[in-house]
Amino acid sequence: AQKVTQAQTEISVVEKEDVTLDCVYETRDTTYYLFWYKQPPSGELVFLIRRNSFDEQNEISGRYSWNFQKSTSSFNFTITASQVVDSAVYFCALSDRGGKLIFGQGTELSVKP
Amino acid sequence: DARVTQTPRHKVTEMGQEVTMRCQPILGHNTVFWYRQTMMQGLELLAYFRNRAPLDDSGMPKDRFSAEMPDATLATLKIQPSEPRDSAVYFCASGPRLSEQYFGPGTRLTVT
Repeated sequence: AQKVTQAQTEISVVEKEDVTLDCVYETRDTTYYLFWYKQPPSGELVFLIRRNSFDEQNEISGRYSWNFQKSTSSFNFTITASQVVDSAVYFCALSDRGGKLIFGQGTELSVKP
Repeated sequence: DARVTQTPRHKVTEMGQEVTMRCQPILGHNTVFWYRQTMMQGLELLAYFRNRAPLDDSGMPKDRFSAEMPDATLATLKIQPSEPRDSAVYFCASGPRLSEQYFGPGTRLTVT
């Protein structure tokens, strides 16, 4: 069965600190996709990134970066120089080719000024 | 900036009443998903469609929930009769393919 674990329930940092959100997944599929979504206090789910299982290249987008390691079944998310606007719940998710997203329980990030 | 739209954004109803939630997927997207978010269960998939055909609705309580796509621009999720345990935020998502999903703002349902 597929499973996503986000062991960090809550993280609190001070603005400008770097923060890494951990995500560990389980799947028997050889083809799968990994995602990160952001849920700010307003409640919507904002798509951040999608990675397929054949692409282990790390990705950087502005202050955001993602580290995908198949050897440890991890897909971690780092925010560099965090800002108050980064405060949100972040979800890691996994899907197979069928499209069903399996979400982790989320990590609530609080960035204080 | 194309977005998934959902109506209503908030719904308060009494137990036993029928609830209908609507979703307009992004134009051109051929996959539509319904998710439910609760504090206890987190985000869970209820049903999804491709090219308006249901692919999987195993996540839905069959006796009271139904999901349809009358046309390519409208997806509906109905609960009849509603129960307090159905209180949750219901999200619709659409995508150009099964492996890519963009979420709507959600419908917050409260059943008293």
